[in-house]
Amino acid sequence: EVQLVESGGGLVQPGGSLRLSCAASGFTVSSNYMSWVRQAPGKGLEWVSVIYSGGSTYYADSVKGRFTISRDNSKNTLYLQMNSLRAEDTAVYYCARAKYSSGWYPFDYWGQGTLVTVSS
Amino acid sequence: DIQMTQSPSSLSASVGDRVTITCQASQDISNYLNWYQQKPGKAPKLLIYDASNLETGVPSRFSGSGSGTDFTFTISSLQPEDIATYYCQQYWTFGPGTKVDIK
Repeated sequence: EVQLVESGGGLVQPGGSLRLSCAASGFTVSSNYMSWVRQAPGKGLEWVSVIYSGGSTYYADSVKGRFTISRDNSKNTLYLQMNSLRAEDTAVYYCARAKYSSGWYPFDYWGQGTLVTVSS
Repeated sequence: DIQMTQSPSSLSASVGDRVTITCQASQDISNYLNWYQQKPGKAPKLLIYDASNLETGVPSRFSGSGSGTDFTFTISSLQPEDIATYYCQQYWTFGPGTKVDIK
């Protein structure tokens, strides 16, 4: 059974750092495209970052230069290192697996989300 | 950047009604359009991928159509459990969402 379990969220001051983890089971993280998607309170979904199976990484403009996506193949875990955090980064962060299709890569499995609150 | 518009932003319909949501891209995106359902406090759920393919296990009352710039998502007969917000996604970008309520 495919499962994604996020952890690492919490309260952090503006300018601080946090690292989110997403432990996967039932499939191999390194063989798939994996993403982070966030949702600010009461708002819609915002794509944050993706890491391709080949290792290429891409970011939304809103987090470029501050966030880094990575994976640990030995732990089958996805990470999001978040630096220079701002109040507008406050959101529930979901990790998601993108499946292969003839079109673009739909997110077929999602974690339960972890809340990041940036506040002094 | 490709702009996505999704409409309406919200709607109320009766149980059994046919519900239609549209997504429009500012340029041709072929069939690179997915649809998700999100219930309050829950992670999104994939319903339709590649514009018209029903994800495994999703009820057949959900459907999608379109290609190029204009896409439609339909619930053929609205059920109480369909109360949710629905999002389209092109490439990695999500539309603003449509909140569906029961009248």
